[in-house]
Amino acid sequence: GESVGLHLPTLSVQEGDNSIINCAYSNSASDYFIWYKQESGKGPQFIIDIRSNMDKRQGQRVTVLLNKTVKHLSLQIAATQPGDSAVYFCAERVGGYNKLIFGAGTRLAVHP
Amino acid sequence: GAGVSQSPSNKVTEKGKDVELRCDPISGHTALYWYRQSLGQGLEFLIYFQGNSAPDKSGLPSDRFSAERTGGSVSTLTIQRTQQEDSAVYLCASSSVTGELFFGEGSRLTVL
Repeated sequence: GESVGLHLPTLSVQEGDNSIINCAYSNSASDYFIWYKQESGKGPQFIIDIRSNMDKRQGQRVTVLLNKTVKHLSLQIAATQPGDSAVYFCAERVGGYNKLIFGAGTRLAVHP
Repeated sequence: GAGVSQSPSNKVTEKGKDVELRCDPISGHTALYWYRQSLGQGLEFLIYFQGNSAPDKSGLPSDRFSAERTGGSVSTLTIQRTQQEDSAVYLCASSSVTGELFFGEGSRLTVL
């Protein structure tokens, strides 16, 4: 079936550095992508989204980049903080239908 | 409350027993989703309700799983004759027409 996968299962960074989490998606008909953050024992929390007619979107300390040519999505976190430590999931929505397909997740560990 | 509420937060049951998990979505949200998350894994889509339309049950893993949504609000996920492989966190999410999903904290199910 359709799937969203991640290049790196774990990522360790130093506090203050920038983090980049990557994601590959398989369905060229996907029109909407979301990044979620999940802390231990909690449900996923929305971070940022991007529609397929855009290639970049910025939030507070986060930027999502979309490359439709190679079906690649990335999440950039500036000045990573200990509170950013969590598992990050990308998700895609296919063709306007609201069912989201999630990837396996990347664990981000921030070291002081 | 303001967020998606799920109950129980933890459920331990014996193999072969039936369990019911409840989800109270955000008021006014027309879409409701159930996902399953096994330990250290991504989110597996189970079922999706949108307004009065027929639900998308394509993710239910077997006929032991069923879900209903009464009055367009509260949803119950029922697992009959539970098996050990059903052990997971069951996450509920709701969304408005804008498409952003808001997740609950999940119900952790342990089948002994």
